[in-house]
Amino acid sequence: GQQVMQIPQYQHVQEGEDFTTYCNSSTTLSNIQWYKQRPGGHPVFLIQLVKSGEVKKQKRLTFQFGEAKKNSSLHITATQTTDVGTYFCALPGAGSYQLTFGKGTKLSVIP
Amino acid sequence: GAGVSQSPSNKVTEKGKDVELRCDPISGHTALYWYRQSLGQGLEFLIYFQGNSAPDKSGLPSDRFSAERTGGSVSTLTIQRTQQEDSAVYLCASSRTGGEGNTIYFGEGSWLTVV
Repeated sequence: GQQVMQIPQYQHVQEGEDFTTYCNSSTTLSNIQWYKQRPGGHPVFLIQLVKSGEVKKQKRLTFQFGEAKKNSSLHITATQTTDVGTYFCALPGAGSYQLTFGKGTKLSVIP
Repeated sequence: GAGVSQSPSNKVTEKGKDVELRCDPISGHTALYWYRQSLGQGLEFLIYFQGNSAPDKSGLPSDRFSAERTGGSVSTLTIQRTQQEDSAVYLCASSRTGGEGNTIYFGEGSWLTVV
């Protein structure tokens, strides 16, 4: 079945430092999505990447899709306390299009 | 409605009792998903409905779990003879068509505690 590894599991940064989370798949992907879950909240869609080598930016967030379409990263520049939460990558599942989520990276930002 | 609506938001039940969790997807969305998230853990896929097709039940952890979707809209997830390990947040989500690459929108979740 679909295997996805997301690292690191936890990341503590000082406010203003950068942060990166990585997602690696055992198979080539047609696309990958990223979600953010605030503490006590529900996952919220951030972005979808489709093309090989694609890079997309949302303000301080930069998303990359690997050339081989097997890995992806989310980079946050100059973290703020509002960035606190868990970031999940999500891969299309087999057959019925259900999403398989990584275990997430929990980001803590120390003010 | 404007978003995915779930009820109850919180449920405390005694071990062995049955519970029903309800999900009202975004209007017009044909795909509906149930996920489970244990405390501090990732999201575990449970079941997927798409239109009138047979649901994908491959994620249901045991035969105590079942779900139905009536009229292609509202869905109910039923857990029979609840166990303490069933304690988790049950998240419902919907998407426009369920095709690959579709964004899914989550509800606030139903927090289930089995005591």
